[in-house]
Amino acid sequence: GENVEQHPSTLSVQEGDSAVIKCTYSDSASNYFPWYKQELGKGPQLIIDIRSNVGEKKDQRIAVTLNKTAKHFSLHITETQPEDSAVYFCAATYNAGKSTFGDGTTLTVKP
Amino acid sequence: EAGVAQSPRYKIIEKRQSVAFWCNPISGHATLYWYQQILGQGPKLLIQFQNNGVVDDSQLPKDRFSAERLKGVDSTLKIQPAKLEDSAVYLCASSRLGSPLHFGNGTRLTVT
Repeated sequence: GENVEQHPSTLSVQEGDSAVIKCTYSDSASNYFPWYKQELGKGPQLIIDIRSNVGEKKDQRIAVTLNKTAKHFSLHITETQPEDSAVYFCAATYNAGKSTFGDGTTLTVKP
Repeated sequence: EAGVAQSPRYKIIEKRQSVAFWCNPISGHATLYWYQQILGQGPKLLIQFQNNGVVDDSQLPKDRFSAERLKGVDSTLKIQPAKLEDSAVYLCASSRLGSPLHFGNGTRLTVT
């Protein structure tokens, strides 16, 4: 089955700096890669996703890149703000069905 | 649209007791998932339903866990008997076919 590895497990940045979280996947059949943000006491919320026919996608301060050959994808957050502090999960799936998740990155943005 | 509803939010039980969790998915979402999230880890799929049929339950510990989705809408997940290692957050998610997952806020289970 699919295996997703996520790094780093914790990340601390100053407000205004950029944050990068990286994931690798094992199953070449995976073609949909969502990113979720999970705040304390809440379920994961989708923040951005990318499909395998696209190399990069951007939504305001958030961008995701995908390298299918290397089987890795990354989340980039620019101009970080304290409200970006949360746990971020990457996931890999086939046709947006059941997802295999990484173990999460705890992002702390220091004011 | 209303989100995925789960109850209860918290549950504390002793080992060997039984517990049940309830999930009401977003209206019109045919696919429903139960995930287990152990502290410090990502969610792990337990079972996936398509309408009221099971699509994947390969990771469900069937000797103690059971789940049903009657009439293809609400779902319940049951654990009997519970073990200490079942302490986790149980997340329900729903989606339309080929669309992203929408998660509820989960039920935090503590087994003492």
